[in-house]
Amino acid sequence: DSGVTQTPKHLITATGQRVTLRCSPRSGDLSVYWYQQSLDQGLQFLIQYYNGEERAKGNILERFSAQQFPDLHSELNLSSLELGDSALYFCASSGTPLGYTFGSGTRLTVV
Amino acid sequence: GQQLNQSPQSMFIQEGEDVSMNCTSSSIFNTWLWYKQDPGEGPVLLIALYKAGELTSNGRLTAQFGITRKDSFLNISASIPSDVGIYFCAGQLRTGTASKLTFGTGTRLQVTL
Repeated sequence: DSGVTQTPKHLITATGQRVTLRCSPRSGDLSVYWYQQSLDQGLQFLIQYYNGEERAKGNILERFSAQQFPDLHSELNLSSLELGDSALYFCASSGTPLGYTFGSGTRLTVV
Repeated sequence: GQQLNQSPQSMFIQEGEDVSMNCTSSSIFNTWLWYKQDPGEGPVLLIALYKAGELTSNGRLTAQFGITRKDSFLNISASIPSDVGIYFCAGQLRTGTASKLTFGTGTRLQVTL
């Protein structure tokens, strides 16, 4: 157990729908990062939050959004889902800028 | 999105052999990291390198941060079956509390008895 908890583990939904992925960071970690892993694109950085505020942004689509709450858990919202959004979504957390701990991921399948 | 160039893409080796993989980038990074990912799991940190030229070991693993800050290699000595998995390099850029990891394309390692 890495200490980073992601729910749900699996999600199957239809095109056009909206889903929310949840992440609880390791105790004490202020930063949360979201990554997308697909077969043809590898691990792609989406967004970072630090203590509730957005800090860094990667290749995150406008249909996707994230937030970090006062208790430091984070949610990634994916809307108007397309078949190409099917992927593993990982959350990671860190207490310092050095070294991230990843969760086990949420496997999203869009049908 | 950007990915680092990692080679080889896959390796089939026998138990006991040594393994070497490397990663190159067109950009400079503050930190180089090496991760291993098992099926259905998130990447797990193996080694972190913080200074150009740094050589660091973690058991049978040895990694180096290239002098130019644009490359890194990972060596695994005397491989064992549990070394099977996908290995990723990652370059980290950080400014204050902002941080971003860029991952390599991965090296899939298969170990035969």
